Amino acid sequence: QQQVKQSPQSLIVQKGGIPIINCAYENTAFDYFPWYQQFPGKGPALLIAIRPDVSEKKEGRFTISFNKSAKQFSLHIMDSQPGDSATYFCAADYGSARQLTFGSGTQLTVLP
Amino acid sequence: ETGVTQSPTHLIKTRGQQVTLRCSSQSGHNTVSWYQQALGQGPQFIFQYYREEENGRGNFPPRFSGLQFPNYSSELNVNALELDDSALYLCASSLRGVEGYTFGSGTRLTVV
Repeated sequence: QQQVKQSPQSLIVQKGGIPIINCAYENTAFDYFPWYQQFPGKGPALLIAIRPDVSEKKEGRFTISFNKSAKQFSLHIMDSQPGDSATYFCAADYGSARQLTFGSGTQLTVLP
Repeated sequence: ETGVTQSPTHLIKTRGQQVTLRCSSQSGHNTVSWYQQALGQGPQFIFQYYREEENGRGNFPPRFSGLQFPNYSSELNVNALELDDSALYLCASSLRGVEGYTFGSGTRLTVV
């Protein structure tokens, strides 16, 4: 019930490509869905987040698509750059305590 | 505005020993959460502290314990270390009830 399943495990794209990372969840109580970017040796950094009352959110080159009925959400990175090479985690939480449940991560490599 | 600071950055301990990890929360944040990130995995929630009390706990045994101080800084203590405790330990601070965490860069614990 608390799991967030993330795919793919790894992804390689050419510069300018549009990598897409997908996540699925079971717990319908989740009401906040952030994406985090993590570079080696660093902690996760919040990239973009969405609530289930909207189907899409864009911030710069990053877009979250959210499908509440399917309990799925995805991250799209437009015009990807080598500097975007990192591990990306989806997550979900709910309630006032805000205890994040993370996906297993996607290692993205953007080739120059 | 300072971010989340964790110390030490790296630590090597022997199985059976005890360890204390420290975290200074971001200015203005009153809630601290600790996560364990095994190599190649997503972070897993250990517990959260608010107003110096534990406010939620993940699936971790009692030998994982914590403290929060009046200045909102926090400690994570792990007793009777096991080899599987080797991981990156992340501290994240937030403002109670408000979405969004700020993560520190973590403490890399190696148990030998």
